[in-house]
This record gives sequence, structure tokens and C-alpha cells, in this order.
Amino acid sequence: SAVISQKPSRDICQRGTSLTIQCQVDSQVTMMFWYRQQPGQSLTLIATANQGSEATYESGFVIDKFPISRPNLTFSTLTVSNMSPEDSSIYLCSVEVWRDTEAFFGQGTRLTVV
Amino acid sequence: KQEVTQIPAALSVPEGENLVLNCSFTDSAIYNLQWFRQDPGKGLTSLLLIQSSQREQTSGRLNASLDKSSGRSTLYIAASQPGDSATYLCAVHAGGTSYGKLTFGQGTILTVHP
Repeated sequence: SAVISQKPSRDICQRGTSLTIQCQVDSQVTMMFWYRQQPGQSLTLIATANQGSEATYESGFVIDKFPISRPNLTFSTLTVSNMSPEDSSIYLCSVEVWRDTEAFFGQGTRLTVV
Repeated sequence: KQEVTQIPAALSVPEGENLVLNCSFTDSAIYNLQWFRQDPGKGLTSLLLIQSSQREQTSGRLNASLDKSSGRSTLYIAASQPGDSATYLCAVHAGGTSYGKLTFGQGTILTVHP
């Protein structure tokens, strides 16, 4: 299993500003992902955080809006840039420790943009 | 593009009932399938992972089955309790070049009343 710590757990931000969310895992993992859950909706994959290279973004998500870093095998950050109220969501970090095993999720960051 | 559907969208039952949650997916070429629960405003807790070569998994009062050929999975909860009240999410693990990425259903909101 894996224990994932996300910070902050929640935040209220002004439109036009940026917020960086941190994801720390208690063991080295190959695969880390960032998901978004809009109010009343299910989860949508934003991007795969690749260690040592640029993140891979899903359709509809771009690096300028959601820059991602992954400096090592236990840590990643997601920045939500130039925020608008439409960015109000829960952002979740996910990992898969070993191939062909469970995916684990952090507790999420609840973001409200006003 | 993989699509995942969960039925019913919401379910309210009295304590003690046995119940079945359904999940269907459009592309049978999945890798694994995983069931999660999500409590309001919280992250995801993994319940069961069914690997592609398996047909079912059991954990306590939970039993999940997988029929890849028909594109279906069911989660069976025995002797439901008020503490089971949560949103239950089904997620399909992609394989190949999309390995590790999850596609989620919209979830089933379960309420178990005393």
C-alpha cells in the first residue's frame, strides 16, 4: 500500500492567482497522476506526472494552466494557474506502487475560487 | 474512448439489506477494475481490485465480480450498515500506452438508514 499526503487540504483563493498543491508519498512509486473532481461530478484525469521529464496531459488540459513538477519518485506538485471560479474543484493525487496493483489516492485538496 | 456507467445513481436502503451496485464499460480491453468509496468532501478509499485475469474478489462483506466479455462489474454489499453510506465509484484501469490511467463512473450514492 501507499500513504499519500496532500497539502493543502483546502484553500479559498482569489481569481487570477495561482495555487500549488503538493503530493508526498511514503514510498517510491513509478506512476503518479493528478485528477480533478468538479462539484457533483466524478473524477477526470488531468495528467501523468513523469519523473525526470515533462508531464503528459489529457485532452482539455494544458501545461500553462496546470504545470506539474515531479523532482523525484516520492513527490509531485500541481499548480492551478490564473484561477477562475470554474477551477473550484477537488484535486487529487494518485499513485500506483507496483504494476498491476491498486491505485491509491490522497485525501484531496478542496479548492474554492472567489 | 472508454466510458463507464454506474447504475443506480442513488440508492437508499434500510440497515441489514443486501445490495448490488452495477458498473458497465464500453471497451472490454481493460487491464484491471477497481472499486472505491468516497465519503463527502474526502478522498477515495480503495475497496477491491479485480485484476484482468480474475472474475471476482472478496473483502469482508464486499464481493466484486468482473465479466470482461460483457463489459460489466458488480459490487455486492452484504448486511448493509449505516457506516456503509458513501459514494461508490467504479474505475477501469487502462492498459498499453495508457497504462495506469483510470476512467471513472459517475458513482452510486448509497444511503443506509437505521
